[in-house]
Amino acid sequence: QVQLQESGPGLVKPSQTLSLTCTVSGDSISRSGYYWSWIRQPAGKGLEWIGRISTSGTTNYNPSLKSRLTMSVDTSSNQFSLRLTSVTAADTAVYYCVVQEYTTGPRWFDPWGQGTLVTVSS
Amino acid sequence: DIVMTQSPDSLAVSLGERATISCKSSQSVLYSSSNNNYLAWYQKKPGQPPKLLIYWASTRESGVPARFSGSGSETDFTLTISSLQAEDVAVYYCQQYYSIPFTFGPGTKVDIK
Repeated sequence: QVQLQESGPGLVKPSQTLSLTCTVSGDSISRSGYYWSWIRQPAGKGLEWIGRISTSGTTNYNPSLKSRLTMSVDTSSNQFSLRLTSVTAADTAVYYCVVQEYTTGPRWFDPWGQGTLVTVSS
Repeated sequence: DIVMTQSPDSLAVSLGERATISCKSSQSVLYSSSNNNYLAWYQKKPGQPPKLLIYWASTRESGVPARFSGSGSETDFTLTISSLQAEDVAVYYCQQYYSIPFTFGPGTKVDIK
């Protein structure tokens, strides 16, 4: 069973760049048929899909974040990453990395990492 | 974007009683060629990641108790907990995976009366 673990700074200053990495264990990130996604949840609010990346590097981003977002995959380290630039307090949230199977079309999100809280504050 | 709405925002149900949550999508999430509804349900408890309960609108994930069931099609869906247990206290989210951006409902909080 695939397991995911997020890592990165818990505190980022406004206007700076938020960078998170998700380490995949239990399977190869190079395995075909999967998208590697990021989802976030601000405190007391709902879940927001941020974007996803395939092993080949194909990305899909939420239009609301697209101008500030970059995702990448490092197959040698079995990791994928998120970079969000020009952050504000509105980007404060628990960030989850998640697997999305993709065979003949998109599927649900499962499994999820435990999540990591990122606070944007000076 | 497909907008997901849920009702009620919260509900309190006695132990052993039925809890019913409604989810509506702003457009159909039924893919006609496969006759599958691209709709999932998740359970979220504090400090834990969301847990997948139901996919294809009505298929229970392995290991999920049979008291959880999903129904509906196109734009109207329901999650039912047939006999509420204490461990079911959580927030429940529906989510469409029909089109990008994938979107979630705002959540329904379920509590014990």
